[in-house]
Amino acid sequence: DVKVTQSSRYLVKRTGEKVFLECVQDMDHENMFWYRQDPGLGLRLIYFSYDVKMKEKGDIPEGYSVSREKKERFSLILESASTNQTSMYLCASSFGTGTEAFFGQGTRLTVV
Amino acid sequence: ILNVEQSPQSLHVQEGDSTNFTCSFPSSNFYALHWYRWETAKSPEALFVMTLNGDEKKKGRISATLNTKEGYSYLYIKGSQPEDSATYLCAFPTSYDKVIFGPGTSLSVIP
Repeated sequence: DVKVTQSSRYLVKRTGEKVFLECVQDMDHENMFWYRQDPGLGLRLIYFSYDVKMKEKGDIPEGYSVSREKKERFSLILESASTNQTSMYLCASSFGTGTEAFFGQGTRLTVV
Repeated sequence: ILNVEQSPQSLHVQEGDSTNFTCSFPSSNFYALHWYRWETAKSPEALFVMTLNGDEKKKGRISATLNTKEGYSYLYIKGSQPEDSATYLCAFPTSYDKVIFGPGTSLSVIP
């Protein structure tokens, strides 16, 4: 079975902290994604990566950065956490264009 | 920003009812259309990957159709059961591997 693992289920951070959300997949997938999910807004794409060290902005990249130093790992970084970044964050991976995505269990981040 | 729309936003049906919802997507530069089911406290899981105009896919009581020329897909659930309660998402992969999700349809099946 494909496994996408996110490092934390729940996180509470203070405003201004630098926050790292880690995601690891074990299926040698080329593509990895970070989404956030907010009530009424669905899944919104923050960043995605189609190869090691490659990254592309999604629809809402402001306030975030990403890192993909190894194929299996895709990190989302909140440079200076703010309360409007309180959300559910989902990582996903897929083999290539058009193929189904496999999701991690999600990280519910609260910024206080 | 490419737009993927779903309707209705939410749906409440009685156990045993059949139901359907719609996903609308851009009809140009089509690669595939995905349907996912997202149950509470779980991760979204793929139901169908649809690639050809006229595609029909079926998994048990759930089926989906695809019209790429007019940019829509229907998801049907026959004889809804409480375990079908979930949010159903459609997703539209674009070139450059970007995948855009619709806002979802939240289905509640009342026993």
